[in-house]
Parts: sequence; structure tokens; C-alpha cells
Amino acid sequence: NAGVTQTPKFQVLKTGQSMTLQCAQDMNHEYMSWYRQDPGMGLRLIHYSVGAGITDQGEVPNGYNVSRSTTEDFPLRLLSAAPSQTSVYFCASSYATQGYEQYFGPGTRLTVT
Amino acid sequence: AQSVTQPDIHITVSEGASLELRCNYSYGATPYLFWYVQSPGQGLQLLLKYFSGDTLVQGIKGFEAEFKRSQSSFNLRKPSVHWSDAAEYFCAADRGSTLGRLYFGRGTQLTVWP
Repeated sequence: NAGVTQTPKFQVLKTGQSMTLQCAQDMNHEYMSWYRQDPGMGLRLIHYSVGAGITDQGEVPNGYNVSRSTTEDFPLRLLSAAPSQTSVYFCASSYATQGYEQYFGPGTRLTVT
Repeated sequence: AQSVTQPDIHITVSEGASLELRCNYSYGATPYLFWYVQSPGQGLQLLLKYFSGDTLVQGIKGFEAEFKRSQSSFNLRKPSVHWSDAAEYFCAADRGSTLGRLYFGRGTQLTVWP
């Protein structure tokens, strides 16, 4: 199993550009989540999904969209990038049973200039 | 408000010394609790987790953590630190009522002196 994969690893955007961060998992996990990591802030939840076709907002959803058309994929879209979205983005997945740990992808480092 | 608190931003210990990293949570019910480690430029690796039962849990790499309900704490410990333990450590909680949604502390950076 590849686990949780994320592409790209690095990305530089100009303010106002849009892009999609890709996330895929091959473990048949129901839950998938997106987090952003900023220095001194830990990881903060952006959006999450409890299954195909079901998504909801986390702590910091503004400026991001998600959809989940399949169990495997959970892309994160930046509609109009802003410098405040410069961060490292992590995708994670887990089983639906309570308390199962989340498996994290390797992250995408995004810089918005 | 931060639901998971790690009071220590940075800790420095000598190799071979013991280690304790603090974590407190502020939920009414007992959440599911986790400790993750992140090496520079890497993703997150799960060290250990607490769901219920025995309040002392063992993890990988010689780490353990103790859940104390009276103190709302889940502190991470290691009897003898190795230089390779230098990393950032995150405590996280899944409140149970919000399945699959982890709330993280701000992290503790561990430096190990040779």
C-alpha cells in the first residue's frame, strides 16, 4: 500500500492564482481531512469528509474548497491564493471507528507571493 | 480557544536524561488522545494513543504516556533520551463527538545535547 499520497510536494503561486492540492489514499478509509501547519500554531483542520459525497468545515475553512467524489481522493482547492495561505498542507485519512488514528501524507509546502 | 495545550514551546535535554512533555486538554468528556512526532521536513508519525482502559500507554521508540483525568493531562515520557529523538512533538485529541477530526496542540520542539 502506498498509504496517503500528496501532490505536489512544493508549489509557488502568485496572489490571485488558483490551484488544487491532490490527496489520495489506498486504505479504503472513510474519513479524510486536510490540515495546515504554520510555525507555532500546530496543525489546524481546514475541511474534512466522512465519506464520498459528504464534506464539512473545520477550524480554518475560509479560502478553501473541497469535494469528495470517490473514497480514495480528497482534493483541496484554493480559489484565489493569498499570502496568508502560505503554509504546509497535510492530508490525513482514518477508519470511521471512533478513535482510530489518522495516517498523514508527506505534506505540500505552498508559498504564495 | 486552544482545546489542547502544550505549555512548553521548546525543551532542551542532555542525551541520556529523562524527558517529560506536557499536554493538557479542555474538553468536558475524555477525548481520544494521541502523541505525534515530526522530524524536520517530514510528515507526522504516531507515537502512541489512548482510548480507554489502562491509563499508562506504551508507544514506539521507548515512549510512554500517562492519562490523568483529574488533571486533564496526557504527558509523554521517555526514561533516556537519544540524540535521534530531537524533533517536534504534537499532542492531539479527537473529541469522539467529532469523529475523524483531530485538534492539535501547538507543539513542543525538543533539542537534545550530546
